[in-house]
Amino acid sequence: GENVGLHLPTLSVQEGDNSIINCAYSNSASDYFIWYKQESGKGPQFIIDIRSNMDKRQGQRVTVLLNKTVKHLSLQIAATQPGDSAVYFCAEYDGGTSYGKLTFGQGTILTVHP
Amino acid sequence: EPEVTQTPSHQVTQMGQEVILRCVPISNHLYFYWYRQILGQKVEFLVSFYNNEISEKSEIFDDQFSVERPDGSNFTLKIRSTKLEDSAMYFCASSETGVGGYTFGSGTRLTVV
Repeated sequence: GENVGLHLPTLSVQEGDNSIINCAYSNSASDYFIWYKQESGKGPQFIIDIRSNMDKRQGQRVTVLLNKTVKHLSLQIAATQPGDSAVYFCAEYDGGTSYGKLTFGQGTILTVHP
Repeated sequence: EPEVTQTPSHQVTQMGQEVILRCVPISNHLYFYWYRQILGQKVEFLVSFYNNEISEKSEIFDDQFSVERPDGSNFTLKIRSTKLEDSAMYFCASSETGVGGYTFGSGTRLTVV
């Protein structure tokens, strides 16, 4: 992954709508994926994870979908709230070659309007 | 809930100076990491550390960078001679198993002038 500059993809939704954030990952050998939320001035905060032997995992108000065929992850947030406004990153992990190294995607800015 | 603590939250330094960024990982975690994030860009891996040695490092982590676990609680990142392009947020993270369960600190904003 290369630097992509200052222009992250953005998603604007109304409070109460469902949000879908997408991520394309790069390494077909990656076997573990995590979604992180990052608020301004803070570190990445864990939202949900999924292993490559699954294609869907649900948490509280969040669902992650994994499509290994096209190397695509999505994060669905139900009933989006203003507090969900943040930058969302997907991260991938290749257990065969790394010692816990995460490779992050470029991020998506989610803005929730009251 | 256990936290990863980073100090200072903001560091301003002159180009060419040495800086040490400090981290206190979660106490029962065994794997430690440094990542950086240039403003507006994605989070990039720098180095992983396990069993008192570097287990993996990126091409960013050149000879100007070093890490150390000087005692049982601290994990430090040293940049020997800072450059303008080292300006970024530096995040420390730790994990109990090295697979999942990563916890990130709130970061140190390094500004090189």
